[in-house]
Amino acid sequence: SQQGEEDPQALSIQEGENATMNCSYKTSINNLQWYRQNSGRGLVHLILIRSNEREKHSGRLRVTLDTSKKSSSLLITASRAADTASYFCATVLSGAGSYQLTFGKGTKLSVIP
Amino acid sequence: DAGVIQSPRHEVTEMGQEVTLRCKPISGHNSLFWYRQTMMRGLELLIYFNNNVPIDDSGMPEDRFSAKMPNASFSTLKIQPSEPRDSAVYFCASSPTTDTQYFGPGTRLTVL
Repeated sequence: SQQGEEDPQALSIQEGENATMNCSYKTSINNLQWYRQNSGRGLVHLILIRSNEREKHSGRLRVTLDTSKKSSSLLITASRAADTASYFCATVLSGAGSYQLTFGKGTKLSVIP
Repeated sequence: DAGVIQSPRHEVTEMGQEVTLRCKPISGHNSLFWYRQTMMRGLELLIYFNNNVPIDDSGMPEDRFSAKMPNASFSTLKIQPSEPRDSAVYFCASSPTTDTQYFGPGTRLTVL
């Protein structure tokens, strides 16, 4: 079953605009990760945020985590056409004792030049 | 580093045939994961190995699916017999003793 659910399912923006994607999950987590998947390719890890962190930055990416609401958001600033891809959140459950990721179904982002 | 290597990249087969998918993880990574991705179900974890030992195979859909990891540099996922509903993209991912997973390019399987 899906642990994370991304919202929206699809997002279309103009180049230069910011893109915000949200993820909600159901049970306590150890950490939450965001991955990108370009069409026809494998997933690429973007950023990891642990349950005791609230915000994290990496280049043009900003991730927030609200464990009380069981939600996370991924913000891509100053988007580029090359950011066009599907973005997935994935959770590692608390106490899982392993590194199993449970993925959501993703947000499909289109950045129009 | 070449990253995670999967072969074949594309496989088309007929129902009832045996299919074997192959994966070479990144050297030094001790965890290996097999996933299946479909439009309907998204990305599903099939099985997870740690130090070549299967840890959790609860995601394997049925007995037609089997996976092996005979050594640290090679794993196979076998489907026998294959069915049209097995059509999907199968990903292999590896991980060092951290939380980040590194995905291969996937094998697109079509069962006619």
